[in-house]
Amino acid sequence: GAVVSQHPSWVICKSGTSVKIECRSLDFQATTMFWYRQFPKQSLMLMATSNEGSKATYEQGVEKDKFLINHASLTLSTLTVTSAHPEDSSFYICSAGSRTGYNSPLHFGNGTRLTVT
Amino acid sequence: AQSVAQPEDQVNVAEGNPLTVKCTYSVSGNPYLFWYVQYPNRGLQFLLKYITGDNLVKGSYGFEAEFNKSQTSFHLKKPSALVSDSALYFCAVRPDQAAGNKLTFGGGTRVLVKP
Repeated sequence: GAVVSQHPSWVICKSGTSVKIECRSLDFQATTMFWYRQFPKQSLMLMATSNEGSKATYEQGVEKDKFLINHASLTLSTLTVTSAHPEDSSFYICSAGSRTGYNSPLHFGNGTRLTVT
Repeated sequence: AQSVAQPEDQVNVAEGNPLTVKCTYSVSGNPYLFWYVQYPNRGLQFLLKYITGDNLVKGSYGFEAEFNKSQTSFHLKKPSALVSDSALYFCAVRPDQAAGNKLTFGGGTRVLVKP
C-alpha cells in the first residue's frame, strides 16, 4: 500500500530556532499534501494544503510566515516552523493524496512531535 | 460546508463484545466517508471508506461500517472487539464536489477495550 514517510518523528528545539519537518510519499506521486496539527486528546486541525509547484493554501488563523510550506516535487513537502515558541509544541501530521485518487483515502505520515523549550 | 460529528468522546467495551463507534455527517451532495484509526504518537491509518454502492462497507482488521443516508450516519462496527483495538478513531467526510482531497474530520472517539 501507499506509504508516507514523515521525518523526524520527534524533535526538541530551543525557543527562537526553526525546525523543518519532511513528508515524503514513497511509492506514489502526491500532487497534494496536507499538514495538520493535533493537540492532546483532540482532533486534527488542518493547517494548510500544498500543491506541487504552487504556493500553499493556509487555513484561516494559521500564520503563513510562521509555518512555511514547500512542495517542490511530487514526492516531498516540507513544513518549517520558524522562530518556534513553546506554544508551537504539538503533534504535526502530514498526509498525501494523488491526482488519480479523489475518492481514495489520504495516506498519513506517522507524525512529528515538536517540543519547544 | 461539510461537517462530521462523533457524539461520543470515549467508548468502553469488554473484549469479545461488539464495538460501535458513531458518526453523523452533514454535506451538500453525495458524501465520501472514511474511517481512520490512530494509535498513540502515530499518524492515522485508513480503515475503510464509502463512496457509492453497497451501504455496508467492510474494511481492515475486521471493521465494517454502515452508510445510512436517511439518518446521515456512518457508524463503525466490529462484531468482537480486541484489546488491541484500543485507539483513537476518526470519521471523515469529503463532498463529491471538486473540493480537492481535503477531508473534514470528526472530533475523534477514544475506544478502550478491556480484557
